[in-house]
Amino acid sequence: GENVEQHPSTLSVQEGDSAVIKCTYSDSASNYFPWYKQELGKRPQLIIDIRSNVGEKKDQRIAVTLNKTAKHFSLHITETQPEDSAVYFCAASGSNDMRFGAGTRLTVKP
Amino acid sequence: ETGVTQTPRHLVMGMTNKKSLKCEQHLGHNAMYWYKQSAKKPLELMFVYNFKEQTENNSVPSRFSPECPNSSHLFLHLHTLQPEDSALYLCASSPGTSGRLGTGELFFGEGSRLTVL
Repeated sequence: GENVEQHPSTLSVQEGDSAVIKCTYSDSASNYFPWYKQELGKRPQLIIDIRSNVGEKKDQRIAVTLNKTAKHFSLHITETQPEDSAVYFCAASGSNDMRFGAGTRLTVKP
Repeated sequence: ETGVTQTPRHLVMGMTNKKSLKCEQHLGHNAMYWYKQSAKKPLELMFVYNFKEQTENNSVPSRFSPECPNSSHLFLHLHTLQPEDSALYLCASSPGTSGRLGTGELFFGEGSRLTVL
């Protein structure tokens, strides 16, 4: 089955800096790669996703890149703000399920 | 309100108890999921139902028993649990599962925080 690894497990940046989180996956059949943000005590919510026919996608301060050959994808957050502080999960989905990485706790210091 | 409701939000039970977690979605989705979230671990997929049929059972112990009577409701029946089963149990739904499209976006409920004494 699919195995998703995520790094780093914790990340601390200064407000205004950029943050990058990286994930790798094992199943070449996976074709959908979402990123979820989970604030303390709240449910995970989708922030951006990318499908396997696209190499990069951007939405304001958030961007995701995908390298299908190397089986890795990354989340980039620019101009970070304190409200970006949360746990971020990457995931990979094939036909029937979605597997998640272990999560990255991002702290943005004001 | 995301359209996925879980009850109860908190549950404390002894190892010999029998209890159930309930999930309801009002989004017209055809696939529903149970995930277990423990501290410092990935979200662990437990069960997947697509059009009421179980399509995934991720080697979950038999003390967890899912039930999906229709596309809008999903239950997780709990019986003789262990303290290590204490975790946040998240229900999610998606439009459906498809080999070409994958699952699509998952919509999560708030979770049921389970403590096993």
